[in-house]
Amino acid sequence: DGGITQSPKYLFRKEGQNVTLSCEQNLNHDAMYWYRQDPGQGLRLIYYSQIVNDFQKGDIAEGYSVSREKKESFPLTVTSAQKNPTAFYLCASSIYLGGTGAGANVLTFGAGSRLTVL
Amino acid sequence: QKEVEQDPGPLSVPEGAIVSLNCTYSNSAFQYFMWYRQYSRKGPELLMYTYSSGNKEDGRFTAQVDKSSKYISLFIRDSQPSDSATYLCAMSEPGANNLFFGTGTRLTVIP
Repeated sequence: DGGITQSPKYLFRKEGQNVTLSCEQNLNHDAMYWYRQDPGQGLRLIYYSQIVNDFQKGDIAEGYSVSREKKESFPLTVTSAQKNPTAFYLCASSIYLGGTGAGANVLTFGAGSRLTVL
Repeated sequence: QKEVEQDPGPLSVPEGAIVSLNCTYSNSAFQYFMWYRQYSRKGPELLMYTYSSGNKEDGRFTAQVDKSSKYISLFIRDSQPSDSATYLCAMSEPGANNLFFGTGTRLTVIP
């Protein structure tokens, strides 16, 4: 079955440690995204990537880093510089529907990774 | 003012009721409107996708867009306990890389 696999599902981190969340997709989608979800705040965009070896910062990129070395993979590193990293992290990929420059990215999400800082 | 506003609820209804979920937005350039359903501790899944104004029906679900009022709705007919979830609206401008999400409305359907 095609889909997005995020791992680990639950992760605990001590303060000062970097952690990397994995995201793999087999949907052959070009674009991939990382969102953070906190209660009462909805989804906030951390980073997105339209093609391999290229990515752009979202609204809350500080304290996070990503790489996109393969089309299928878009790992997210939560660094020690992220002041409040405890959250639910969602990876997504998208298919573009509509005409060039006039369509929309329709997102497919993974099951999420819950990070807790101890 | 947020780009997208959504009442967080929670909303509780008896089984079989008609549910109305709503979002308002401020950006008149939004043309694409989506509804996602998110079960507890899971990722959101796409329910409905509409372009511009009008209605779209899929089974028990109807998505409605009123661009003149900058208001979108999702109606659920004959609601079931399995519909209990958080519903997120999302929208984007044509050609945009990103979606703008509402905060989500938590719905509980009581058997």
